[in-house]
Amino acid sequence: DAGVIQSPRHEVTEMGQEVTLRCKPISGHNSLFWYRQTMMRGLELLIYFNNNVPIDDSGMPEDRFSAKMPNASFSTLKIQPSEPRDSAVYFCASRANISGKVAEKLFFGSGTQLSVL
Amino acid sequence: AQSVTQPDIHITVSEGASLELRCNYSYGATPYLFWYVQSPGQGLQLLLKYFSGDTLVQGIKGFEAEFKRSQSSFNLRKPSVHWSDAAEYFCAVGLGGSNYKLTFGKGTLLTVNP
Repeated sequence: DAGVIQSPRHEVTEMGQEVTLRCKPISGHNSLFWYRQTMMRGLELLIYFNNNVPIDDSGMPEDRFSAKMPNASFSTLKIQPSEPRDSAVYFCASRANISGKVAEKLFFGSGTQLSVL
Repeated sequence: AQSVTQPDIHITVSEGASLELRCNYSYGATPYLFWYVQSPGQGLQLLLKYFSGDTLVQGIKGFEAEFKRSQSSFNLRKPSVHWSDAAEYFCAVGLGGSNYKLTFGKGTLLTVNP
């Protein structure tokens, strides 16, 4: 099992540029989460997918952020245009949603360190 | 709304010493409780979780946590810390039923001195 795979590991970009973060969840997991981690705010849930369908995007900061999950093995988080305050570590996590309950274990990727200059 | 408080931002202990990391939650009912660990440059890994039953739960790497309803606490403990335990530790709470959300505390950074 390769775990949750995120790419790139590091991204440095200039303000105003488009940024795309990628995630491959663990095979067989049908719930996928995007989190953002900053010193000030800690870990924040941005969006949650179940069976490739966005269930709750209330954590997405603003319209500059969008996320897609075209199939069960791939998701993207896009920021357009990027701003310096978007600098953070972005984590993808997946979970088997056998019972639909929060009790199931979350598996995290290693994260993407984003720096917007 | 549920919330999680980790009062200690940074803790330093000597190798071999005991460890206790504090976690308090705020919610009307008993939530599901978790402890995750994050090593530098890595994602979070589940250490242990509490759903119901025995209030003392055992986890991986020799960690344990005790749920105390009267104090709304779920403190993480280890009798003897190893240098490899240096990492950031996150407490998290989740609602039961079909709710999917976990709310994380802001973390406690553990430094282990030789």
